[in-house]
Amino acid sequence: GAVVSQHPSRVICKSGTSVKIECRSLDFQATTMFWYRQFPKQSLMLMATSNEGSKATYEQGVEKDKFLINHASLTLSTLTVTSAHPEDSSFYICSARPELGVDTQYFGPGTRLTVL
Amino acid sequence: TQLLEQSPQFLSIQEGENLTVYCNSSSVFSSLQWYRQEPGEGPVLLVTVVTGGEVKKLKRLTFQFGDARKDSSLHITAAQTGDTGLYLCAGEGGGSNYKLTFGKGTLLTVNP
Repeated sequence: GAVVSQHPSRVICKSGTSVKIECRSLDFQATTMFWYRQFPKQSLMLMATSNEGSKATYEQGVEKDKFLINHASLTLSTLTVTSAHPEDSSFYICSARPELGVDTQYFGPGTRLTVL
Repeated sequence: TQLLEQSPQFLSIQEGENLTVYCNSSSVFSSLQWYRQEPGEGPVLLVTVVTGGEVKKLKRLTFQFGDARKDSSLHITAAQTGDTGLYLCAGEGGGSNYKLTFGKGTLLTVNP
């Protein structure tokens, strides 16, 4: 149980294009999902908290107009990197917190974004 | 802002040795989690500790949560090459936002 998937696992795009990354909780409902980015050999940095049915809460320094988050259902959150640039290249990881009962987060396998 | 100091940042040991990774903060956490991450994959939860003074064992891994819930340690006994990976501690501050604060991670290499 408690499986979180991400799609795509890898994406390469040209500078200036937009990329959408999906995060799904496969066997549980998640009112809250989180988006992180991770640079090589570094830890995870929280970008935003995604709440089903409401606007995402962004961490300081994260541009909300560049990183669009939509949490349309209890099992799906999407992160869209708009007008991507090479400096946006990173490993993006989502996590989901079960709606009931479990005091933990389950992480997806990550999406490697490379912007040329 | 809650910060978690994790040490050491890098650790290279021989198979069979023991090791301890530390996670310290000046803040109190409602729970603390330890994860292991392989390159190119998401973190995998190892354990969650909630109660001050709590000790949990997972085979050769022993996790402790400090009495004041500000620090934690991970001890690995008789390390194996399969233990190689990035170990991350993360604290949840409580409240309704459930945000995790991550330590910088410990990159462990166990050599044969």
